Amino acid sequence: ETGVTQSPTHLIKTRGQQVTLRCSSQSGHNTVSWYQQALGQGPQFIFQYYREEENGRGNFPPRFSGLQFPNYSSELNVNALELDDSALYLCASSLPSGRAETQYFGPGTRLLVL
Amino acid sequence: EDKVVQSPLSLVVHEGDTVTLNCSYEVTNFRSLLWYKQEKKAPTFLFMLTSSGIEKKSGRLSSILDKKELFSILNITATQTGDSAIYLCAVEFRSGNQFYFGTGTSLTVIP
Repeated sequence: ETGVTQSPTHLIKTRGQQVTLRCSSQSGHNTVSWYQQALGQGPQFIFQYYREEENGRGNFPPRFSGLQFPNYSSELNVNALELDDSALYLCASSLPSGRAETQYFGPGTRLLVL
Repeated sequence: EDKVVQSPLSLVVHEGDTVTLNCSYEVTNFRSLLWYKQEKKAPTFLFMLTSSGIEKKSGRLSSILDKKELFSILNITATQTGDSAIYLCAVEFRSGNQFYFGTGTSLTVIP
């Protein structure tokens, strides 16, 4: 197992609610990326944080937002939840200049929106 | 529009068979192509490819990249039930480990 942890493991919300997912990165890694993986699909890049600043964003609306803290842990916030937000949310930590194979994924948070 | 396409979407084989998984891509600013294995939740790294024609091998798994034709293949020989998983292809489109993923190939190996 990697040193990347995510919480909670599972979550059920209703449409319109807000949710916060958390990720603790691998020791020494200062970059965190978030991905959304819908059932039967590959992960889709949401955004990346490096040294507490957003460093790249995929094709997701502004109601998806994030934070990175001085200890490099990170949060993903989703406002006004929609049914299509139901997915596995993965975070991955890495060094920004590190080789891609040193990016480690966490176990994910499974979100169900009813 | 950038895209990564994997085929087949799913595959069922018997133990001992050899399988070839395909990944084609159209990505501006290509930097590298990675293969991951996803068994339950977290994808785990298999290979990273940056140069054409150089085969990477790890045990029964091997992979190669063709940057002219924009595709990669992942071969698994003498498959085992433990190879059952989703295999994901990812293309790094921006420095700092930002990836486009394909939809994955679901491999089931029957005893």
